Amino acid sequence: AQSVTQLDSHVSVSEGTPVLLRCNYSSSYSPSLFWYVQHPNKGLQLLLKYTSAATLVKGINGFEAEFKKSETSFHLTKPSAHMSDAAEYFCVVSPPNGGYQKVTFGTGTKLQVIP
Amino acid sequence: KAGVTQTPRYLIKTRGQQVTLSCSPISGHRSVSWYQQTPGQGLQFLFEYFSETQRNKGNFPGRFSGRQFSNSRSEMNVSTLELGDSALYLCASSPLPSGANVLTFGAGSRLTVL
Repeated sequence: AQSVTQLDSHVSVSEGTPVLLRCNYSSSYSPSLFWYVQHPNKGLQLLLKYTSAATLVKGINGFEAEFKKSETSFHLTKPSAHMSDAAEYFCVVSPPNGGYQKVTFGTGTKLQVIP
Repeated sequence: KAGVTQTPRYLIKTRGQQVTLSCSPISGHRSVSWYQQTPGQGLQFLFEYFSETQRNKGNFPGRFSGRQFSNSRSEMNVSTLELGDSALYLCASSPLPSGANVLTFGAGSRLTVL
């Protein structure tokens, strides 16, 4: 079984300040973990993914996430927020290749960037 | 290469009608999954198809159905529409199901039920 919890439904930061979006997961196997971003009225776009290689994963647009098995967390960070980062972010857990568990999405975190 | 194409992008139906949505995956992708997104419920998994076979189904009533064709294109159908079916329906494709495969999403089909 697997589940994912995004700890904040809304996060507000000032432009130029760090971003932290929190995600905890639960899985009975070694999962693959993803962060996707959705801008208004658009589909979801991949930011980054973790697949049991390096625990610190770098993604697009300056985002990165660290896989911490002991804390079952996969938090998303960015050193300096930009106005264009305002969007909704989804943490996703996926079973191993060929697994019959479905991909599980978190409930999303809406990021507001204040000028 | 072309991305995931969903048609139609917008549609308006009335209660009791039915609707069919189409999804053309990225060339070479054999897995297609569907999601319903609403403000209240967030992103909810509908079903996943791989090589014309349904591999997984979410917790939706039987009014929601889908299929996948031999060219990997997929359709989903909702019969006897209800007001609560108003949502953004997203389709995603990947080379293989589940695992480390990245999902590539289409822009969605926004359904409004009046």
